[in-house]
Amino acid sequence: SYVVTQPPSVSVAPGQTARITCGGSMIGGYSVHWYHQKPGQAPVLVVYDDSDRPSGIPERFSGSNSGNTATLTITRVEAGDEADYYCQVWDSTTYHVVFGGGTKLTVL
Amino acid sequence: EVQLVESGGDLVQPGGSLRLSCAVSGFSISNYWMGWVRLAPGKGLEWVANIEQDGTQTYYVDSVKGRFTISRDNAKNSLFLQLNSLRAEDTAVYYCATVVVVAGAITYFDSWGQGTLVTVSS
Repeated sequence: SYVVTQPPSVSVAPGQTARITCGGSMIGGYSVHWYHQKPGQAPVLVVYDDSDRPSGIPERFSGSNSGNTATLTITRVEAGDEADYYCQVWDSTTYHVVFGGGTKLTVL
Repeated sequence: EVQLVESGGDLVQPGGSLRLSCAVSGFSISNYWMGWVRLAPGKGLEWVANIEQDGTQTYYVDSVKGRFTISRDNAKNSLFLQLNSLRAEDTAVYYCATVVVVAGAITYFDSWGQGTLVTVSS
């Protein structure tokens, strides 16, 4: 089954830009979706189809996907952005959904 | 208002069984693929299973295939997950969610419930 890899943690100071990567073989050929999850809460979709934002998600959240790496970028990071972030793709050969291992974003 | 409410989580011994339910309000699930995703303690999100609108197509992560069964009752607007032969590694919060499908391709999970905790321990 397809495998996607995320760094376990990313740290950034408030007001700076956080970049969270999601690596996979030719992931640029997949649609990548991103969620954040805070402790005790359900996951929330923040970017879908590589770079689209659901309604209600701030413009500070953006995504890109090319080659072997997809990236979630959060500009002007706030304390409230601290959460676990997960990328997700769908493997059309197996019909399986695949999540990355998650990245803990820490706001210093 | 869209609401997904899971129930049925409990403490169960290894080898035991549980049936999780997800009651949906605010929209008709008959138009949607549905799925289950779990979060084990100290681990990341893991997709468990998906089911298409009329229940004829189901898909499972390899680790639960043959032990778990996803089903739905569109008339009752509910989704289910039967968990059999439970193992310690199945301990997790289980979430139900709607699956957005575009042109036959599964994309992302849209609406989520708050989860129900399954603990497998002796």
